[in-house]
Amino acid sequence: DAKTTQPTSMDCAEGRAANLPCNHSTISGNEYVYWYRQIHSQGPQYIIHGLKNNETNEMASLIITEDRKSSTLILPHATLRDTAVYYCIVRVGPHSGYALNFGKGTSLLVTP
Amino acid sequence: NAGVTQTPKFRVLKTGQSMTLLCAQDMNHEYMYWYRQDPGMGLRLIHYSVGEGTTAKGEVPDGYNVSRLKKQNFLLGLESAAPSQTSVYFCASSPSDSSSYEQYFGPGTRLTVT
Repeated sequence: DAKTTQPTSMDCAEGRAANLPCNHSTISGNEYVYWYRQIHSQGPQYIIHGLKNNETNEMASLIITEDRKSSTLILPHATLRDTAVYYCIVRVGPHSGYALNFGKGTSLLVTP
Repeated sequence: NAGVTQTPKFRVLKTGQSMTLLCAQDMNHEYMYWYRQDPGMGLRLIHYSVGEGTTAKGEVPDGYNVSRLKKQNFLLGLESAAPSQTSVYFCASSPSDSSSYEQYFGPGTRLTVT
């Protein structure tokens, strides 16, 4: 299964865009990239996922490089409530029921 | 909809005691999962189920058993609790729709084994 590498922590000023990078250089052609976040030890919350194309929803945008070896999650206008640990995950295949392989994630601190 | 609920929210056990954690979902999802999260770490998969009556081992299954007798419920059992099982336990469910597999998580159960 493909592994991901993320920075341990990042800061972002409130109102600015938060750009969270993720490296997944061993990703296979049919593996999706998922982003979840966990606010203060609550249950993780789904943000967005993608395969090849860039994706956007009401929460964020996901930019995947053409070679699919890295991606960036963009929170366009970060608020204090976006302070959380953000996990970049390459989805495990059907042999594990499509479970999520969590790493340590990036701790994002949004400051006033 | 309540989504995914977990019972209890907190529990303290003594070494050797047993307990069952209950997870319930009202979204008619086929897949359900149990994860544990230790301090400063990401979640690790304990067991999972792809349908009623079926279960399978995840990354860290030792010391745990599970049952999925009803589609909406997934039980996690600790037969003889050990201090190493002190953790926060999260249950999740997901649809079997291959376009998403988005997982919905419960609020967690904080377990301390002394």
